[in-house]
Amino acid sequence: GQSLEQPSEVTAVEGAIVQINCTYQTSGFYGLSWYQQHDGGAPTFLSYNALDGLEETGRFSSFLSRSDSYGYLLLQELQMKDSASYFCAVHPGNTPLVFGKGTRLSVIA
Amino acid sequence: NAGVTQTPKFQVLKTGQSMTLQCAQDMNHEYMSWYRQDPGMGLRLIHYSVGAGITDQGEVPNGYNVSRSTTEDFPLRLLSAAPSQTSVYFCASSPDSATGELFFGEGSRLTVL
Repeated sequence: GQSLEQPSEVTAVEGAIVQINCTYQTSGFYGLSWYQQHDGGAPTFLSYNALDGLEETGRFSSFLSRSDSYGYLLLQELQMKDSASYFCAVHPGNTPLVFGKGTRLSVIA
Repeated sequence: NAGVTQTPKFQVLKTGQSMTLQCAQDMNHEYMSWYRQDPGMGLRLIHYSVGAGITDQGEVPNGYNVSRSTTEDFPLRLLSAAPSQTSVYFCASSPDSATGELFFGEGSRLTVL
């Protein structure tokens, strides 16, 4: 089976940097994805790491360490619109993505 | 390009009623899946399909049926609705099983009284 752990809530100040961690246990592993979901909306894809290291997409970066079964999402220059829930998801390979329970990010002025 | 379309967006059922949540995608994706989302529980996989004519169970399949007669459509049937099935249901698709990127529909919010 698979299990993922991520913090339930994080609060950060506008303009700051925040890191959302994700640890996982899985019987098979192809990669780690990150999704953003605003209240009342659908999850939207942010990034996917199949290899160790850092992937950067604008203000968002995602990191993966396969040996540590660990990844994180880094959000820089936080904006109020970044207030949302963020989900990490494991790609086991033989079945669809398995999602964590999500981290609710609140950006305050 | 509509992407993934779910209908209805909102539905209220009485216990014991049956209904079908519709999902259609116009991206020619082989891989489709249904998730349910409950507060504090993240997204849990109900059923998925790797192509027309092929379906399989996910983490929480009880009380739900699916079929995949075409590449475009992947309906989810509730056989006899129960209050525990009150949830938000999301349909998702991807080109194949090798990608970590899913394209989600807008969701169907179901209340069972």
